[in-house]
Amino acid sequence: ETGVTQSPTHLIKTRGQQVTLRCSSQSGHNTVSWYQQALGQGPQFIFQYYREEENGRGNFPPRFSGLQFPNYSSELNVNALELDDSALYLCASSPGGPQNIQYFGAGTRLSVL
Amino acid sequence: AQRVTQPEKLLSVFKGAPVELKCNYSYSGSPELFWYVQYSRQRLQLLLRHISRESIKGFTADLNKGETSFHLKKPFAQEEDSAMYYCALMKGSASKIIFGSGTRLSIRP
Repeated sequence: ETGVTQSPTHLIKTRGQQVTLRCSSQSGHNTVSWYQQALGQGPQFIFQYYREEENGRGNFPPRFSGLQFPNYSSELNVNALELDDSALYLCASSPGGPQNIQYFGAGTRLSVL
Repeated sequence: AQRVTQPEKLLSVFKGAPVELKCNYSYSGSPELFWYVQYSRQRLQLLLRHISRESIKGFTADLNKGETSFHLKKPFAQEEDSAMYYCALMKGSASKIIFGSGTRLSIRP
C-alpha cells in the first residue's frame, strides 16, 4: 500500500459549481502532482507542488487551482465546472523531490451533469 | 511539443509468447522515460524507468534515441501480465510527466 489517499472516491456536481478534491500523502512526500484522466486516455498533468509552491503546470485553465499543506495533504479546486471536466482525478506524491518515483492514489471520479 | 505515442490500444498474445509494447516519444531535450502499469482494480504504479536499467517482472525497456522509442519487452508472457500499460516521459526539470494513451495487454491462456 502506497499510503496516498484521495477523497471522496466519487462525486457528482452540476455545471457551474465548484469542487474541492483532497489528497493525503505519506510523511516526507514533499512533492504532489495532480492529473486528469478522461475515459480511454492516459493521465494528463494538471500541476505539481513542491514544498507548498507550484512547481509546474500543464495546459489547464486558471479555474483549476491547488494547494499543498505542511502536513503533506493537498487540494485540487475546480471552479465553474464544465461537462468536459468529468474524469478521474489522480494525485501522486514523491518523497524527497520531484525527480523521485511518484506514488499514485486510487483517484476521485468526478461526474459533471 | 512533447508527446508520447502508444500506437496499440489493445495487444492480445498467448501465454508463453513474447510481448512488445510500443512507445515512441517526441522531445527535444534528454528525456527520462518510464513504464507504468495498472492491474485490474489496482492503482497506477511504476513498472520501470530507463535510468535504472532494471528488469522488473521479466520486463525490460531500452531507450533508443535514434528512433525515439522506448518499447517494453518480455520474452515469455504470463497471465498475470494482463493489465493496462502506460509509457511516460518526464521533462528534465522534473516538473511534468507526460503519459501516453495506454495499451491494454491481454494474455490468453
